[in-house]
Amino acid sequence: SAVISQKPSRDICQRGTSLTIQCQVDSQVTMMFWYRQQPGQSLTLIATANQGSEATYESGFVIDKFPISRPNLTFSTLTVSNMSPEDSSIYLCSVETPARNTEAFFGQGTRLTVV
Amino acid sequence: AQTVTQSQPEMSVQEAETVTLSCTYDTSESDYYLFWYKQPPSRQMILVIRQEAYKQQNATENRFSVNFQKAAKSFSLKISDSQLGDAAMYFCAYRRNTDKLIFGTGTRLQVFP
Repeated sequence: SAVISQKPSRDICQRGTSLTIQCQVDSQVTMMFWYRQQPGQSLTLIATANQGSEATYESGFVIDKFPISRPNLTFSTLTVSNMSPEDSSIYLCSVETPARNTEAFFGQGTRLTVV
Repeated sequence: AQTVTQSQPEMSVQEAETVTLSCTYDTSESDYYLFWYKQPPSRQMILVIRQEAYKQQNATENRFSVNFQKAAKSFSLKISDSQLGDAAMYFCAYRRNTDKLIFGTGTRLQVFP
């Protein structure tokens, strides 16, 4: 499995500001994903982070609100822009490795509270 | 569209006893994967067990086993000899090949001493 480091682990932000979440993996991975988990809810896929190109967003999520970067095979960032209290959630980075490409491994998540 | 349903929002079990968490899914595919993930208060999603749809044999991982009924589209998780550390949210998930994971709504498991 891959070891995933996600930062920050939690943050409290003012509405209207932006927060960038980092995801660092200890080995090269094929796929990187970003999920949102709203309070008491299940996980919803935001987008697939593509190395060297624009991320692929799921229905209901747009690049202006959730810009994503993936400059190499081990690192990705998710920015939550112009935040409102509705963005308060846990954001999770997930990866898949070449050896086990049907299994997803997750970071510890970032608990975001917007006030 | 594929969906995953967990009909038990909460379950509880006595330490050392056995508990079964239910999951059903809807798909028209014949080849896919099913997973159970555990999310403790630390928030990290931990893979508990996986099942390939083409395998008839039910997957087992130590105290965790599944009852996979392909025709009924049912995928339940049995936890034997429950431990306090098993207390967590449990999510059932489906994926077709390398498509995106689709998660159920989760079951909160409480373990009492």
